Amino acid sequence: AQSVTQPDIHITVSEGASLELRCNYSYGATPYLFWYVQSPGQGLQLLLKYFSGDTLVQGIKGFEAEFKRSQSSFNLRKPSVHWSDAAEYFCAVGGRSNYQLIWGAGTKLIIKP
Amino acid sequence: GAGVSQTPSNKVTEKGKYVELRCDPISGHTALYWYRQSLGQGPEFLIYFQGTGAADDSGLPNDRFFAVRPEGSVSTLKIQRTERGDSAVYLCASSSAVGQGGEAFFGQGTRLTVV
Repeated sequence: AQSVTQPDIHITVSEGASLELRCNYSYGATPYLFWYVQSPGQGLQLLLKYFSGDTLVQGIKGFEAEFKRSQSSFNLRKPSVHWSDAAEYFCAVGGRSNYQLIWGAGTKLIIKP
Repeated sequence: GAGVSQTPSNKVTEKGKYVELRCDPISGHTALYWYRQSLGQGPEFLIYFQGTGAADDSGLPNDRFFAVRPEGSVSTLKIQRTERGDSAVYLCASSSAVGQGGEAFFGQGTRLTVV
């Protein structure tokens, strides 16, 4: 079955500390992977995507993610978080021509001052 | 417009009533998507439009749900005989190209509450 698992419902990180949000997927074909952020009162915003090529992808707001095919993972990282990063983060997977993305349940990021 | 606009932002309706949710996509975007997001969950695909036609409506949960996009721009999601289980945030997204379902811009959603 196709699925996306974000094992952490909540993560609390001190401002300035590093961050890693986990995403594991199960997908029967070549996966196209995405990370979105949803801030309170805002629509979902695309942070970054992986289609092919370099497995380390850079996104907006200083985020990056690494695709590891052997581990079926696409973890999101940021070296130093800011209070404005507090939001909910969603990982999603789809195929090249498949617009039906499969979404994880999200990880809520809480920033400690 | 500058972004995807959804109206209303909040809708409270009584069980059994009919509701319409509107989505105004980014100008020029040919693809439009509807999703439903229940509390504590990621978005769930409902329907995808390419132009005026519904290219895939396989995500609509049952025949109480219907969506239209008559002129290839604004779309309306229609729910008949609403049930309490329909309560969720309904998200609309649009993109400029076909087959790039992830590279979409989302609206802020309509929070539907069925009482």
